Amino acid sequence: EIVMTQSPATLSVSPGERATLSCRASESISTNLAWYLQKPGQAPRLLIFGASSRATGIPVRFSGGGSGTDFTLTISSLQSEDFAVYYCQQYSDWLRPTFGQGTKLEIK
Amino acid sequence: DVKLVQSGGALIQPGGSLRLSCEASGFAVNDNFMNWVRQAPGKGLEWVSVIYTAGSTHYPDSVRGRFTVSRDTSKNTVYLQINSLRVEDTAIYYCARGTGSPSLFDYWGQGTLVTVSS
Repeated sequence: EIVMTQSPATLSVSPGERATLSCRASESISTNLAWYLQKPGQAPRLLIFGASSRATGIPVRFSGGGSGTDFTLTISSLQSEDFAVYYCQQYSDWLRPTFGQGTKLEIK
Repeated sequence: DVKLVQSGGALIQPGGSLRLSCEASGFAVNDNFMNWVRQAPGKGLEWVSVIYTAGSTHYPDSVRGRFTVSRDTSKNTVYLQINSLRVEDTAIYYCARGTGSPSLFDYWGQGTLVTVSS
């Protein structure tokens, strides 16, 4: 099983500032990585796929990067609606997709 | 518009069984990869099943033998049958559509809560 590790567990950032979240895979997954956002009481929502492609309707302030084992999600200017939990997920091993444990982005 | 509407969650005693439903609109379930993902209270996400376009299914070792995913194309609905329920199966269960890859999830249901307790 490919283990996904996210850091930090919690990130405190002020509105309008930039936030960078990290995700590491236990083995190379090329760019078969997705990012999801989950707000309290809601289902996850796909933000990024293919490590850097934005899903339909996702604002340009969200950008993803990386390949192999190390990935980042950057939110360029935080809006109030961006404070939530973010999960990365690998689908390289599509028989056993796995998620990171999540990063909680909170208001500083 | 693509939409997934779930139902079937309940409070169940250990050892019991339950069937969850996920009704799709805006697309055909038999033309897509349909998955179930669960989230224990306060925890992260765990994939638990997929039914492929050809009708074959796949599960992680943690639930294989107890979970069964199926579909009814006439109702455009996917089901998750859970048998021999354990306390550790307590979670919100989401159905999710796979796109491109079977396990890249672009649309999710609203989730349904399964609580296993005596």
